Amino acid sequence: DAKTTQPPSMDCAEGRAANLPCNHSTISGNEYVYWYRQIHSQGPQYIIHGLKNNETNEMASLIITEDRKSSTLILPHATLRDTAVYYCIVRVGNGNQFYFGTGTSLTVIP
Amino acid sequence: NAGVMQNPRHLVRRRGQEARLRCSPMKGHSHVYWYRQLPEEGLKFMVYLQKENIIDESGMPKERFSAEFPKEGPSILRIQQVVRGDSAAYFCASSPWTEGNEQFFGPGTRLTVL
Repeated sequence: DAKTTQPPSMDCAEGRAANLPCNHSTISGNEYVYWYRQIHSQGPQYIIHGLKNNETNEMASLIITEDRKSSTLILPHATLRDTAVYYCIVRVGNGNQFYFGTGTSLTVIP
Repeated sequence: NAGVMQNPRHLVRRRGQEARLRCSPMKGHSHVYWYRQLPEEGLKFMVYLQKENIIDESGMPKERFSAEFPKEGPSILRIQQVVRGDSAAYFCASSPWTEGNEQFFGPGTRLTVL
């Protein structure tokens, strides 16, 4: 069962904000939302995670709706190096495994 | 602090041979996870281990696949009698604990079965 739904692809102009949406309508109250990205075929890179409140770090911001059924990852000033597949993840099972889904392929355009 | 290390980075095996993939977690991390990524797909969870214990192997194929994380040394993912369908990238991740914590991923081992 898919725990998250993301658009398969998006484009963003270099220097602009990239807003990547994710739906997780079946999320449970104690499940965190994580975002990772995978550049080419490298290992996934952690970006940010949150439970209820919005979060911000040096890479991105995470906006979680009040009902927690969706979230948005914001890359404030996209660069060409941000071109990657972005995965929105909710823990499944007893909290041990990440369900990656198919992600959103973000292309940053010069 | 070195990140998660995996070796070999590339592994070629003929059908019927055994593949052994190694993962050294980050220093201080006692939780290890293995994922498999087939071409053009997302990562699929395989198994979660703590030192000397398999905690969750719900994603492991029932046959030919096994994993261990001994008290000393790296975690090992072992695939016996490999078939062409085992060709994939295998990623290992580690974390210091589970609840609310991110997993840190290694660079992966790319297995090719001829």
